Amino acid sequence: GAGVSQSPSNKVTEKGKDVELRCDPISGHTALYWYRQSLGQGLEFLIYFQGNSAPDKSGLPSDRFSAERTGGSVSTLTIQRTQQEDSAVYLCASSLERGLETQYFGPGTRLLVL
Amino acid sequence: DAKTTQPPSMDCAEGRAANLPCNHSTISGNEYVYWYRQIHSQGPQYIIHGLKNNETNEMASLIITEDRKSSTLILPHATLRDTAVYYCIVRRRSGANNLFFGTGTRLTVIP
Repeated sequence: GAGVSQSPSNKVTEKGKDVELRCDPISGHTALYWYRQSLGQGLEFLIYFQGNSAPDKSGLPSDRFSAERTGGSVSTLTIQRTQQEDSAVYLCASSLERGLETQYFGPGTRLLVL
Repeated sequence: DAKTTQPPSMDCAEGRAANLPCNHSTISGNEYVYWYRQIHSQGPQYIIHGLKNNETNEMASLIITEDRKSSTLILPHATLRDTAVYYCIVRRRSGANNLFFGTGTRLTVIP
């Protein structure tokens, strides 16, 4: 596809369950970002991947959150033992390279933890 | 990255130009001005960016003052689909990995 895609578009889960969110970046983009956005709030940076470099995990809120990027393309964000405060829209973005890049965002995954 | 200040909300009549201001008085010489917008229930969308010179693309124009302490995003002929929150971001080329979105300006285009 031409843009960043994410799946699922919506996810409802019970507290304590694990969830996996997927991001397919734009082909050829070496940089990939995960953010989350709570209702009415700005973006909260979670993690960043650039090529084969070690990811920047400085934004992950707890050790329940992890992400991987396989083959330099698709990325999966995993939240273990979900809590109600994890409810948010999880956004993925990609860019050609780090630096003066334009980040292209996917439509997001709306996560609701009951 | 420098802090930006934007009005919380603005209205614009359909078909008219929408002029969205942004103050970035602490901007440094190597920082660029970026504009993104977020339409309800969608991911953020890149609009335009610039360093010193005014810029124009198919979506908008960006006017940066000579001292670079403020800028204006211009949507020349606003449509109802331009209703969104508009974010002005200032950042360095080698800045933090993430984008920081403030509260932005909520633009409402009125029919």
